[in-house]
Amino acid sequence: GAVVSQHPSWVICKSGTSVKIECRSLDFQATTMFWYRQFPKQSLMLMATSNEGSKATYEQGVEKDKFLINHASLTLSTLTVTSAHPEDSSFYICSAIRDPPGGEQYFGPGTRLTVT
Amino acid sequence: GENVEQHPSTLSVQEGDSAVIKCTYSDSASNYFPWYKQELGKRPQLIIDIRSNVGEKKDQRIAVTLNKTAKHFSLHITETQPEDSAVYFCAAITNAGKSTFGDGTTLTVKP
Repeated sequence: GAVVSQHPSWVICKSGTSVKIECRSLDFQATTMFWYRQFPKQSLMLMATSNEGSKATYEQGVEKDKFLINHASLTLSTLTVTSAHPEDSSFYICSAIRDPPGGEQYFGPGTRLTVT
Repeated sequence: GENVEQHPSTLSVQEGDSAVIKCTYSDSASNYFPWYKQELGKRPQLIIDIRSNVGEKKDQRIAVTLNKTAKHFSLHITETQPEDSAVYFCAAITNAGKSTFGDGTTLTVKP
């Protein structure tokens, strides 16, 4: 079946530093990928839609200058949390929609970010 | 934007009983409705889905029904087993692939 990977799986960083998380579709192309945030025992909250070759679309309340998204190719999207603060600590999950658009959505395993 | 409501938030059943989880959505542009199962610390896994041109779909012990007019869809699990215990999320997805998730239902199946 289709596989989406995320790297790293967990990361601890100091407050004020930046962290980059990669999301890769391993065996299919994905024009569209999504980034979610999930707090413990809560639902997935869509942060932004990442489109290959164009700017990401951010959901209301999500700071685009803080959460930088780059969809560099049809198999790779990156999320960079800039100037991280403890409140950014969370579980970040990406998903990829298999091309053509409208296909099934596959989730990555998630990245647990802890900011100290 | 889309608003998805999911009920109940917690559900406890005896092994062998049926479990039903319901979701309502607001955006008529949503046309794809997947259900995900998420075990603790793991990624959501698709268990069944339904598109807006179909009213019901079944896969062994799992079924999903969709009432497009009323904008609600339900997950039915029959003959529940302890390994069915997890958090279940419904989602409503538009043509563009934008997903809105329900808040989740924690299902506990007691042996």
